[in-house]
Amino acid sequence: QKEVEQDPGPLSVPEGAIVSLNCTYSNSAFQYFMWYRQYSRKGPELLMYTYSSGNKEDGRFTAQVDKSSKYISLFIRDSQPSDSATYLCAIRMDSNYQLIWGAGTKLIIKP
Amino acid sequence: DAGVTQSPTHLIKTRGQQVTLRCSPKSGHDTVSWYQQALGQGPQFIFQYYEEEERQRGNFPDRFSGHQFPNYSSELNVNALLLGDSALYLCASTFLGLSYNEQFFGPGTRLTVL
Repeated sequence: QKEVEQDPGPLSVPEGAIVSLNCTYSNSAFQYFMWYRQYSRKGPELLMYTYSSGNKEDGRFTAQVDKSSKYISLFIRDSQPSDSATYLCAIRMDSNYQLIWGAGTKLIIKP
Repeated sequence: DAGVTQSPTHLIKTRGQQVTLRCSPKSGHDTVSWYQQALGQGPQFIFQYYEEEERQRGNFPDRFSGHQFPNYSSELNVNALLLGDSALYLCASTFLGLSYNEQFFGPGTRLTVL
């Protein structure tokens, strides 16, 4: 079993829709939860991070962590064609700086 | 601020050759990590350098080695290249002294092994 599971998609939605992206993980020791966006042939850029459980909102983006279910989510409101990219979840433990990554979900926003 | 820079952008090598990739961290950062990202996959952690020492290593063979210089820049060396080493190699930098160590990524070096 992989430490982090993420549906690779692609996920195709119309412009303006709410997008829900998800990852599950196996080790309850993970404490930092991050979402990165990666455009084609570019390096990942950090969108959101959360420490431990809870929600975090930044503009159109909301990150949720449910440690009891080992489930993390990223919601994108009012999706735009420019949001089309691959979204990767990454997690790490408190004492370990190594990021463990999901495979990434390819998101396509149709105008 | 130039952010994290990597060179070269693209590289084509043949099996058995050796390659060196370079990374300059974001200004103010002292820690560099290297990742390998195969097509359609998430990045895999290779190793992390801090204070010119390899601080942590992922599950990669000894063919993968690195170095960090006093100015915090870093090199990734891969010996005896295999076809399976073809990937995007990402460098990420951070400042270890912060409670949350956000990693900033460079654009990557795309290595093709023929």
